Amino acid sequence: KAGVTQTPRYLIKTRGQQVTLSCSPISGHRSVSWYQQTPGQGLQFLFEYFSETQRNKGNFPGRFSGRQFSNSRSEMNVSTLELGDSALYLCASSPPTDTQYFGPGTRLTVL
Amino acid sequence: KNEVEQSPQNLTAQEGEFITINCSYSVGISALHWLQQHPGGGIVSLFMLSSGKKKHGRLIATINIQEKHSSLHITASHPRDSAVYICAVYRGDNNDMRFGAGTRLTVKP
Repeated sequence: KAGVTQTPRYLIKTRGQQVTLSCSPISGHRSVSWYQQTPGQGLQFLFEYFSETQRNKGNFPGRFSGRQFSNSRSEMNVSTLELGDSALYLCASSPPTDTQYFGPGTRLTVL
Repeated sequence: KNEVEQSPQNLTAQEGEFITINCSYSVGISALHWLQQHPGGGIVSLFMLSSGKKKHGRLIATINIQEKHSSLHITASHPRDSAVYICAVYRGDNNDMRFGAGTRLTVKP
């Protein structure tokens, strides 16, 4: 099976812009979770989608949003980018009640 | 205080040594996850466990739910084990996860 794929792998944006990141889960996985990793805060949970519904959300401002499509692919959007949004954004997919499989991440740099 | 605490933060070992990384948590969990992250960012899931012990090759993970503590052991360590090891806990029966700060392991030949 192909692994979790994320696009793009690298992205440079400027403050105030918005960005959309994409995640394609492993075939058959219906749960997709998103995480942010920064040197200062480490790994933090953003949100999780299951069958097109947001099932849980971490403690991030409303500028961070996401959605999941019927084929389980997921997108994450960040509006009005701030310098502090520079991070590695990871997505992970999982079958029910099983471990998560992480994608390679999208490294976002906000200038 | 962080909900998930790992120790040590940094660990340097000689090839062949037995290594232990500890994780303590303060919240109720449904499962605990050990992750490995190599330079470059890729994360690999090592174990997910909710009780007892699991073994995979030279890696062993244990969890004590009553004491809210888990350990990751690496036997006969090798330089390729050099990575950051991250403990993560699942709160409740959903995928709301909390992460430890990670333990940076360096194994010298």
